Amino acid sequence: DAKTTQPNSMESNEEEPVHLPCNHSTISGTDYIHWYRQLPSQGPEYVIHGLTSNVNNRMASLAIAEDRKSSTLILHRATLRDAAVYYCILRDVKPAGGSYIPTFGRGTSLIVHP
Amino acid sequence: EAGVAQSPRYKIIEKRQSVAFWCNPISGHATLYWYQQILGQGPKLLIQFQNNGVVDDSQLPKDRFSAERLKGVDSTLKIQPAKLEDSAVYLCASSLGATTNEKLFFGSGTQLSVL
Repeated sequence: DAKTTQPNSMESNEEEPVHLPCNHSTISGTDYIHWYRQLPSQGPEYVIHGLTSNVNNRMASLAIAEDRKSSTLILHRATLRDAAVYYCILRDVKPAGGSYIPTFGRGTSLIVHP
Repeated sequence: EAGVAQSPRYKIIEKRQSVAFWCNPISGHATLYWYQQILGQGPKLLIQFQNNGVVDDSQLPKDRFSAERLKGVDSTLKIQPAKLEDSAVYLCASSLGATTNEKLFFGSGTQLSVL
């Protein structure tokens, strides 16, 4: 199983950058690294994903280590609306067929101070 | 584009009663997932469908939980009989396919309280 390790919680001030780390030392060569976030009383929503290169979109940036054993989600300017639980997930391989089974851990609870 | 639709939004039942949840995925999405999320924990996958076939149901308590996806579109998840520990949010998600590159789209969930 590909597993991820994230800090339980992190704090930031509004309008400051936030770097959310994720360790995934058992990642396989074909696993994409996905990030989702979950706002209170909502289902998780997709943030970003990548394979080897750093990725940018309108929500965030994803920095992937050269050995792919860790990654960092970067929120360039945190807002109060970014307060959520952030999940870093990898494929949990189904032994027989290799299907991508998205497995969530506990994630990192991000607290943003005004 | 319409998102993943789930109903009901909330449900309160007594233990040993039965309950059913409904999910309509995004049009064209072949893969459908049911997750259980207990308060303070991350979502736990219960069952994954590819079209109308089951890809993985290893964490589904099959003595009381059942799920079906007839015609490969919408899906129902049933609990019979419910236990107190089934109190959780039940999330449905869908994706175009089941490869490692696919993005998941989640519904708002059904919050179940078992008294």
